[in-house]
Amino acid sequence: DAGVIQSPRHEVTEMGQEVTLRCKPISGHDYLFWYRQTMMRGLELLIYFNNNVPIDDSGMPEDRFSAKMPNASFSTLKIQPSEPRDSAVYFCASSSDNRGNTIYFGEGSWLTVV
Amino acid sequence: GENVEQHPSTLSVQEGDSAVIKCTYSDSASNYFPWYKQELGKGPQLIIDIRSNVGEKKDQRIAVTLNKTAKHFSLHITETQPEDSAVYFCAASKGGGGNKLTFGTGTQLKVEL
Repeated sequence: DAGVIQSPRHEVTEMGQEVTLRCKPISGHDYLFWYRQTMMRGLELLIYFNNNVPIDDSGMPEDRFSAKMPNASFSTLKIQPSEPRDSAVYFCASSSDNRGNTIYFGEGSWLTVV
Repeated sequence: GENVEQHPSTLSVQEGDSAVIKCTYSDSASNYFPWYKQELGKGPQLIIDIRSNVGEKKDQRIAVTLNKTAKHFSLHITETQPEDSAVYFCAASKGGGGNKLTFGTGTQLKVEL
């Protein structure tokens, strides 16, 4: 089985630019999570979806962040406009109720905003 | 909400020695406790997990213990090897749909030759 696939792996962008991170969950998984990892705050849950529907977005830091899941095999996390404090590693993860709810992470998207 | 504390933040052991990492959680409703290993430049990988209906689980050199009364759980790695060097995260959740995890702050384990 292919794991959770994220793109881009690395992105450097200028402050004010729009950033779009992409994720393909494991086939058959019905939950998708977006996490952010920083030295200061560790791993934080931003938002998660069930069957493509956002269930809990209480971790989304502010209106500049948005996430969508148009179908079961694709999700995006968008930051517009980006700021230097958004620099972090963003992880997508997925799980399935039918498979013990183990959460599998992608390799992450390393974002640097200058 | 749930709060997970993890200690120590760094741990250095000699190859072959044992390593123990401890976590405490605050929400007594939590019933699922996974441990993740994160190598440099990679995403967290599940190495072992335990559910609240058991007190201990072992997988080769790795074991996890859970004390629900005290609300703490620990990771034990025996016969450590250099490839065990990584950051380890504990987490807790109430299980169920979505299995929303709250993570500890991580332990940087270094196994020295």
